[in-house]
Amino acid sequence: AQKVTQAQTEISVVEKEDVTLDCVYETRDTTYYLFWYKQPPSGELVFLIRRNSFDEQNEISGRYSWNFQKSTSSFNFTITASQVVDSAVYFCALSNNFGNEKLTFGTGTRLTIIP
Amino acid sequence: GAGVSQSPSNKVTEKGKDVELRCDPISGHTALYWYRQSLGQGLEFLIYFQGNSAPDKSGLPSDRFSAERTGGSVSTLTIQRTQQEDSAVYLCASSSTGGGNYGYTFGSGTRLTVV
Repeated sequence: AQKVTQAQTEISVVEKEDVTLDCVYETRDTTYYLFWYKQPPSGELVFLIRRNSFDEQNEISGRYSWNFQKSTSSFNFTITASQVVDSAVYFCALSNNFGNEKLTFGTGTRLTIIP
Repeated sequence: GAGVSQSPSNKVTEKGKDVELRCDPISGHTALYWYRQSLGQGLEFLIYFQGNSAPDKSGLPSDRFSAERTGGSVSTLTIQRTQQEDSAVYLCASSSTGGGNYGYTFGSGTRLTVV
């Protein structure tokens, strides 16, 4: 069975601070995919990143960076120099690569950036 | 179309009535997924379609819930004899075969309120 744990329910930081959102996953599959989605107050899920299990290179996209560590089954997301527009609920998700590729979501972390 | 379209965007219904929620996926996407997001909760998988068949219905919470997909395109999620606990946002996503490789696109959801 697959499971995604986002232990941080809510985080508040002051604008311009850095913040890291934690994600720990469980799967028996050797090939799998990890995702982060952003859900702003408008409600639509916005895709941020997809990472496959064979690529452990960290990725940076502007103020966003992701740290994938198979040894600890973690896929953490860091926002550098946070901005008010970053306020949203962030979901980590996991899928396999064998036919039914449904996403298993964590419960989300609500991030509030205080101006 | 350019994105995943869901209708209606909002639906208020009386307890005991039936409702139909519609999802129009991205043209050419063979896989279609329904998820449910209850207030303050993560996303719960309901059902997965590959073409017109549904190999995984494991997430449907009761026999009051059913879904179909026709022509490999539009899908309808039907909830019979609605209950208050059915109140949630119902999200649809579509992907090319190999969602892990090609990603998933979500619609804006249908907010269902059962009164």
